[in-house]
Amino acid sequence: GNSVTQMEGPVTLSEEAFLTINCTYTATGYPSLFWYVQYPGEGLQLLLKATKADDKGSNKGFEATYRKETTSFHLEKGSVQVSDSAVYFCALSSSSASKIIFGSGTRLSIRP
Amino acid sequence: GAVVSQHPSRVICKSGTSVKIECRSLDFQATTMFWYRQFPKQSLMLMATSNEGSKATYEQGVEKDKFLINHASLTLSTLTVTSAHPEDSSFYICSAREPGGGTGELFFGEGSRLTVL
Repeated sequence: GNSVTQMEGPVTLSEEAFLTINCTYTATGYPSLFWYVQYPGEGLQLLLKATKADDKGSNKGFEATYRKETTSFHLEKGSVQVSDSAVYFCALSSSSASKIIFGSGTRLSIRP
Repeated sequence: GAVVSQHPSRVICKSGTSVKIECRSLDFQATTMFWYRQFPKQSLMLMATSNEGSKATYEQGVEKDKFLINHASLTLSTLTVTSAHPEDSSFYICSAREPGGGTGELFFGEGSRLTVL
């Protein structure tokens, strides 16, 4: 079945550091891939998405590229800020009618 | 983007009582909504898929009689935790897609934190 594996946290970085959170997936066909973010005490919100191979999703300085050859969708940001502290979830959806499968989440903490 | 709202955001109840959580799509109609439970170490577990006008589809291991889901209209789904116990304390989150499904993006409610004493 479909699954998502992302790097375990917590991840602690200093402000302005480079961020990578790894995500790999297993799916049949051509899923859509997502990164969701959950700020403390809140629900999830979509950070970025990619719907086909080689697409790059980007938002708020974050980027992720849909790599079918490596079945990966790693999240990157060149210079993190304290306000980026949150839990990040990688997810996939194999069709518009199906449920979304989430990774286990990675907690990110940024030190001033 | 589409807005999904949950109520209440926090609820405390005594063991043995039932609690209802509402999930509303505010600016679109949702034939399908999803209920998730988030555990203390942040993992998000899909509990069930709520289908307007029909029975919910529960994930393996989720007790149907414990977690009652009703999707009576295109903008409202409810989750009722029956005979709640302390182990049911958790953060419950609902989500929905816009009509047509698009690329599969889900819009999430703010979550409801349940504490059972």
